[in-house]
Amino acid sequence: GIQVEQSPPDLILQEGANSTLRCNFSDSVNNLQWFHQNPWGQLINLFYIPSGTKQNGRLSATTVATERYSLLYISSSQTTDSGVYFCAVVRGSGTYKYIFGTGTRLKVLA
Amino acid sequence: DAGVIQSPRHEVTEMGQEVTLRCKPISGHNSLFWYRQTMMRGLELLIYFNNNVPIDDSGMPEDRFSAKMPNASFSTLKIQPSEPRDSAVYFCASSLTEAFFGQGTRLTVV
Repeated sequence: GIQVEQSPPDLILQEGANSTLRCNFSDSVNNLQWFHQNPWGQLINLFYIPSGTKQNGRLSATTVATERYSLLYISSSQTTDSGVYFCAVVRGSGTYKYIFGTGTRLKVLA
Repeated sequence: DAGVIQSPRHEVTEMGQEVTLRCKPISGHNSLFWYRQTMMRGLELLIYFNNNVPIDDSGMPEDRFSAKMPNASFSTLKIQPSEPRDSAVYFCASSLTEAFFGQGTRLTVV
């Protein structure tokens, strides 16, 4: 099956710093989403981004489907950004299976 | 819309008992997913439905697990009999194009 790898696995930032999280996938995908799992365990949608670039406040994401990767940018990080960031992909057509990467655990220090 | 609604939020049960987890998807969504999250295995897809029909249940661990979707607004995941190794957070998600997750059910089997 498709492999979804995220890097780095862990990241510690000082408040106000910027960061880039990466998601590599081993096959072509139809859908790609970024999620934030907050410290209370909720999975929150960040971006639905099978291709192109989107921005939402301090967060932005870019997916280059032809090169099989996606990037999540966090600017001016805040302590509330702490948690685990997951990339999830749907491979091919005729299927709706979201396959999750192993996540990037982010801790933002005050 | 209230989002994906799962119940109960927490469940503690004794080994051997039957456990039923419930999910109400977002109205209008045509796909529904059950995931399990553990520290060791991350987010695993157990089963997904499209238009109330089970499409892929290859992630269901064993015969003790069963899932149903009798109509477009309700799904259940049942474990019978439950075992301590079933302890995990179980998420339900629904999608039309973009997937949204419920708050999860934290199951503890003692």
